[in-house]
Amino acid sequence: DQQVKQNSPSLSVQEGRISILNCDYTNSMFDYFLWYKKYPAEGPTFLISISSIKDKNEDGRFTVFLNKSAKHLSLHIVPSQPGDSAVYFCAAKIYAGNNRKLIWGLGTSLAVNP
Amino acid sequence: DGGITQSPKYLFRKEGQNVTLSCEQNLNHDAMYWYRQDPGQGLRLIYYSQIVNDFQKGDIAEGYSVSREKKESFPLTVTSAQKNPTAFYLCATKGTSGQETQYFGPGTRLLVL
Repeated sequence: DQQVKQNSPSLSVQEGRISILNCDYTNSMFDYFLWYKKYPAEGPTFLISISSIKDKNEDGRFTVFLNKSAKHLSLHIVPSQPGDSAVYFCAAKIYAGNNRKLIWGLGTSLAVNP
Repeated sequence: DGGITQSPKYLFRKEGQNVTLSCEQNLNHDAMYWYRQDPGQGLRLIYYSQIVNDFQKGDIAEGYSVSREKKESFPLTVTSAQKNPTAFYLCATKGTSGQETQYFGPGTRLLVL
């Protein structure tokens, strides 16, 4: 049962336009969310995160929005650049006993076309 | 140069053979993690360690083993009991308890001959 869902496997956007990547979750115990970017054959790199007590966090071209009532978060990239083409993973933090672990979505492949 | 190193970049395993993937970090992070990624899939947690000499099973630990004898090192052994070992293996670390961000190494691709 996928607790973190990225329902769009792929997204194609024109350079300079906005990219919106979506993530839905089912567990209300998640209290921290992260977005990672991954190129083929490389490890994921951290992009931006948000605590569940906030509804927006911004870092340069990247903004993450959190809607707790809808259990939905989104990553906005403005303006999109060809170098943004990668797979984007959404992850959510939960406590497992005394430990914290991340639950990962399956990723969305973003293609930014020149 | 701080970071996480994984070696080798590619590893080939023969049937019935155990292989060990290396993960080393000089970030002074306490927690270390091993994930597996299959094509079109998300990251699945194999094992993790919050401190030296302690580690916990993740969601898919069967067929794998780890050790954490040093803070800097968290090797993963893929045993012959792992029947479908072909995947991309990622090691990650996490700093102090107040931080949630995990940082990843470059990965090791394991292929079965």
